[in-house]
Amino acid sequence: DAGVIQSPRHEVTEMGQEVTLRCKPISGHDYLFWYRQTMMRGLELLIYFNNNVPIDDSGMPEDRFSAKMPNASFSTLKIQPSEPRDSAVYFCASSPQKGRVDTEAFFGQGTRLTVV
Amino acid sequence: TQLLEQSPQFLSIQEGENLTVYCNSSSVFSSLQWYRQEPGEGPVLLVTVVTGGEVKKLKRLTFQFGDARKDSSLHITAAQPGDTGLYLCAGVAYSGAGSYQLTFGKGTKLSVIP
Repeated sequence: DAGVIQSPRHEVTEMGQEVTLRCKPISGHDYLFWYRQTMMRGLELLIYFNNNVPIDDSGMPEDRFSAKMPNASFSTLKIQPSEPRDSAVYFCASSPQKGRVDTEAFFGQGTRLTVV
Repeated sequence: TQLLEQSPQFLSIQEGENLTVYCNSSSVFSSLQWYRQEPGEGPVLLVTVVTGGEVKKLKRLTFQFGDARKDSSLHITAAQPGDTGLYLCAGVAYSGAGSYQLTFGKGTKLSVIP
């Protein structure tokens, strides 16, 4: 398997523009997570899905952020409008979980977003 | 929100030295995981500890889960430059019915100087 695939790897956009980050999880994994990583705040959980259904979106900063998972092989994280403080590395991760507490989360390589 | 505090935040040591990294929380977790992240990459799992008091060894790395399942430590013996990276602890909270959270500490950035 190719692992979790994120696109784009880098995104530079102007303040006010819409940004869409994409993720293809590992086939067969039940859970998909979106994280944001900054030096100040570390790795923050934004939202996670179980079998394509959003379970907890309490980490989404505000209404400008939205995430969807239309099927088991694709998810998007959208920021509209983007602001400079959204600049960070955004990670997608998937996990097979299957009711166990020792399963691994597999991370993509991340999307480095810069909003100018 | 379950918080994980890691210490130290930064650590710079000479090759061959020993070190310990700590991960503490006021919450009880189903399990605790340690990940390592290199620049430009996502975190990669090193180990999962599940039982209170559990100790796991991975070559020169020793991981311990506290008896109360609220804290953990990572000890590296005879550090090598290849150990350089960001070490993240993550608490797993699983309660069934689809609820499965993975909460990360801010990490310890380790530099091993040759």
